[in-house]
Amino acid sequence: EVQLVESGGGLVQPGGSLRISCGASGFSFSPYSFNWVRQAPGKGPEWVSYISYGSVTMWYADSVKGRFIISRDNDQNSLYLQMNSLRDEDTGVYYCVRDWDSWGLGTLVTVSS
Amino acid sequence: EIVLTQSPATLSLSPGERATLSCRASQSVGYYLDWYQQKPGQAPRRLIYDASKRATGVPARFSGSGSGTDFTLTISSLEPEDFAVYYCHQRSARPLTFGGGSKVEI
Repeated sequence: EVQLVESGGGLVQPGGSLRISCGASGFSFSPYSFNWVRQAPGKGPEWVSYISYGSVTMWYADSVKGRFIISRDNDQNSLYLQMNSLRDEDTGVYYCVRDWDSWGLGTLVTVSS
Repeated sequence: EIVLTQSPATLSLSPGERATLSCRASQSVGYYLDWYQQKPGQAPRRLIYDASKRATGVPARFSGSGSGTDFTLTISSLEPEDFAVYYCHQRSARPLTFGGGSKVEI
């Protein structure tokens, strides 16, 4: 069974940094591309970032470009999102998504003073 | 940016009735259009990909159609577990975008 488990969310002040992770199990991690998608409270999903299977290609939404960095460790079956210069509007549940067919349960990031 | 406009925002129906949800794109996305279902406190679940292909395990009462800029998700006969929010999503061009959602309520 495919499992994606996000972790590392929490409360952070504006301007702060946070690194969230996604641990994968139940499938072979390395051949897949991944995305991070976030959802603000009461809003629809918003795509944040993409990474290809070999980390050759990374894409970012304009709203996070220059502040967030996506990465992966195929040996550890893990996906990461380093979030810097956090803003109030970055608040939401962050989901790890495998190739658009499987989503994790999400981790809540709250940016507030 | 490709804007996806979903209608109606809310659809009030009874179990057993047919639900028809619309998603219109601001420019052509070809067939790169997916539909998701989301229930409170849960992650979105993919129902339809490439406009009309049912994802694994999705009941046959869910069907998708359309191409280019106009797409439809049809639920042929609503079951109690189908009352949820539905989102369309385009994978044709960056930034990847989602529609604003359609809520199917009892």
